[in-house]
Amino acid sequence: DTAVSQTPKYLVTQMGNDKSIKCEQNLGHDTMYWYKQDSKKFLKIMFSYNNKELIINETVPNRFSPKSPDKAHLNLHINSLELGDSAVYFCASSHAAYEQYFGPGTRLTVT
Amino acid sequence: GESVGLHLPTLSVQEGDNSIINCAYSNSASDYFIWYKQESGKGPQFIIDIRSNMDKRQGQRVTVLLNKTVKHLSLQIAATQPGDSAVYFCAEKHPSNTGKLIFGQGTTLQVKP
Repeated sequence: DTAVSQTPKYLVTQMGNDKSIKCEQNLGHDTMYWYKQDSKKFLKIMFSYNNKELIINETVPNRFSPKSPDKAHLNLHINSLELGDSAVYFCASSHAAYEQYFGPGTRLTVT
Repeated sequence: GESVGLHLPTLSVQEGDNSIINCAYSNSASDYFIWYKQESGKGPQFIIDIRSNMDKRQGQRVTVLLNKTVKHLSLQIAATQPGDSAVYFCAEKHPSNTGKLIFGQGTTLQVKP
């Protein structure tokens, strides 16, 4: 009965590859988010979707593309991975614009 | 610029003592604030929130204080336990009402037995 789930939990890949991270929430929330947490634990929002519509698109390279097939899913696709993309990526969801529930994170390591 | 800051990167307390974690925020128009706890290898977990029309809110063993005059909020944990050891983040909801949260850098709380 996990509220916000992400797959995979760990992702190790080489520079230049394309990879995807999936996120699903079963809370019935209408808004979902992607955050990046760097090695110093700093959390920064990347994207948010409300009812499959892109609401927030921070200054993120075009290599990152979110896709929301439905309200319960928000996937993150990354093209041409770079060393600097190594981080922990968190998905979150909320009802309206308040309390956000976070997933367990995906640790991406680019070698 | 946008920033939510914490005054101390690490706080070490004795088990049973009270802990106080501080946070300064920059946007006086922000009307909603949240404290999150992040344990090692896990995602941030909601602890408590407060809206700008309040100056204090209490939960179970936790209290959040908001001082809008100096743009400061704090998290007080009573009778700190080893299970409270984690990184604590304050977050400020951006006034744009898009749901965007601006996180501080985090304070690591270490509880000594």
